This record gives sequence, C-alpha cells and structure tokens, in this order.
Amino acid sequence: SQQGEEDPQALSIQEGENATMNCSYKTSINNLQWYRQNSGRGLVHLILIRSNEREKHSGRLRVTLDTSKKSSSLLITASRAADTASYFCATDGSGGGADGLTFGKGTHLIIQP
Amino acid sequence: EAQVTQNPRYLITVTGKKLTVTCSQNMNHEYMSWYRQDPGLGLRQIYYSMNVEVTDKGDVPEGYKVSRKEKRNFPLILESPSPNQTSLYFCASSPLNLAGNIQYFGAGTRLSVL
Repeated sequence: SQQGEEDPQALSIQEGENATMNCSYKTSINNLQWYRQNSGRGLVHLILIRSNEREKHSGRLRVTLDTSKKSSSLLITASRAADTASYFCATDGSGGGADGLTFGKGTHLIIQP
Repeated sequence: EAQVTQNPRYLITVTGKKLTVTCSQNMNHEYMSWYRQDPGLGLRQIYYSMNVEVTDKGDVPEGYKVSRKEKRNFPLILESPSPNQTSLYFCASSPLNLAGNIQYFGAGTRLSVL
C-alpha cells in the first residue's frame, strides 16, 4: 500500500526558529493530512490539503503540496516548546478504496527552550 | 465532549489469554479503524469498518478480530495473544464526508504480552 515517508526522522531546533518537515508518497492521492502526536498519546489532526491545492495555512502552520513530485512540506513558524511532538503525514488514496489513511513513520520534533 | 474512548489504557497479559480492547465514539461516525504503532514502523492499520456489520482487513490483520454490531463501538479482539502483539494500539473514527477522511483518535492502549 502507498505510504508517506517523513523527512527528517528527527529535528531539534531552538524556540522561535521555524521547523520544516517533508513528506513523500508513492501514488496518486485525494488529499494529504498532517497529524501531531504528543508522547504516547493519540494523534491529533492539524491540517488537510487537497490534491488540487498547492498551499494552505492554519495559524502558525503552512502546508505545501507538489503532486508532480509527490511531496508535501509542513512548516511551523516561530516554534514553541509546546510544539515538541511527533508529526505524521497521512495520505488518502485516489484509487477509490475505502481503506482510509496511510501514515508515514513520522518526524520527531524537539523544540529547545 | 466529542471523543473516542479506548479501554483499558494499559494492559499486561500472558501469551494465549484472550483479551478485548474496547473502543467507543460518540460522534455518530460511520468509519472506525484500529492501528498499531511500533518504533520505527509508524502506524499500521489492523482492521477498519465502514459501517455497522461491515469490517475489512487492513495491512496487519493477522492475530486480530473485530466486530461492529453497533455504530458507536468497535472492539479489538486478540483470541490468543503473542509477544509480537506487544504494541501501542489506537482506535480512530471518521465521519467519511466530503471534507475528507479526517480521523479522530483515542488516547491509546499500551499492551504488553509476556
């Protein structure tokens, strides 16, 4: 099955800096989502971008999608200690199947105060 | 409060002893799913359900069973647990509307099989 792959696997930055995470996937999609997971907790949906969209904003989050390269990026601006978490991209395929989302392995983000 | 509730949150059991992890959602969602999360492997889907009495295998269904007799409940059953099923399990639900398959996750169940 198709799968998103996040890059880098881990990222450590100083508070106030911007954090960028990337996701690549293999086949056509209907949409791509980003989720956040605090340590050992359930995933929380952050933002969804459709296949016909190129960029989307939500607060300090900016997501881009390049369907020709089969890639997406998540930018968190002005990072805060509370942004420390794992971030996952998830793809919703366009093959008509009803099997839901396919998640990548995640990027672990650490914001140092 | 809209939520997905899993129980128990933590479970330690022994090989071969049948167990059930319950999942309930109060958002009237049609779609429900079970995932397991393992270090280095991310989230992998075990089973999913599009509606009552409709269930399908995900990527890693071996050793698991599910049922969907009511819309709100989607229990995960391990008939004969083995140590390789030690993992962090998540239940999720989704309304499956035109807004996209946005999933709402439970807090997780950490299972250890000895």
